[in-house]
Amino acid sequence: GAVVSQHPSRVICKSGTSVKIECRSLDFQATTMFWYRQFPKQSLMLMATSNEGSKATYEQGVEKDKFLINHASLTLSTLTVTSAHPEDSSFYICSAPTTGVLGSDGYTFGSGTRLTVV
Amino acid sequence: RKEVEQDPGPFNVPEGATVAFNCTYSNSASQSFFWYRQDCRKEPKLLMSVYSSGNEDGRFTAQLNRASQYISLLIRDSKLSDSATYLCVVNQRGSNYKLTFGKGTLLTVNP
Repeated sequence: GAVVSQHPSRVICKSGTSVKIECRSLDFQATTMFWYRQFPKQSLMLMATSNEGSKATYEQGVEKDKFLINHASLTLSTLTVTSAHPEDSSFYICSAPTTGVLGSDGYTFGSGTRLTVV
Repeated sequence: RKEVEQDPGPFNVPEGATVAFNCTYSNSASQSFFWYRQDCRKEPKLLMSVYSSGNEDGRFTAQLNRASQYISLLIRDSKLSDSATYLCVVNQRGSNYKLTFGKGTLLTVNP
């Protein structure tokens, strides 16, 4: 089945540094990747939608200069948290339509990245 | 009104019990509906899609009422392994086909 590989699974960084999270679709091509954030005991909140070959679309309230998204190829999307602060500590997770095509009903999730900023 | 609202829970039930989860959604343009389960500190995994006619997968039954914008999940003969957070998810078909997640309802099945 479709697999999205997400790395790293866990990262601890110092305040002010940047962290890059990668999501790769292993056996399908993902033209679109969704990036979510989940705080403890809260729902997954969509942050942005990355599109291969074009600019990402950010949800209201998400700073595009702080959360840099790059979708350089059909199998790789990255999220960089720049100048991280403790309030950015959260569970970040990516998701792509399982067939690689929007409009399908299935979505495959990466295993998530737990970011802790100290 | 929240886009997707679920029972706050948590639910604690004994093994073998039947448990029902309820969910309402606010956007009448929503087209696809799902139940996901999420284990602690893990990614969500698709449990089942929800179809207008209702659908069943083993011990799990999902129902959709578009007129009431209501979705349900019934788990019969619950197992210890059913312990997880159950997420109600809707997909709004539009420019982004975005998934909107409910906050989830935590289920603990006790021996």
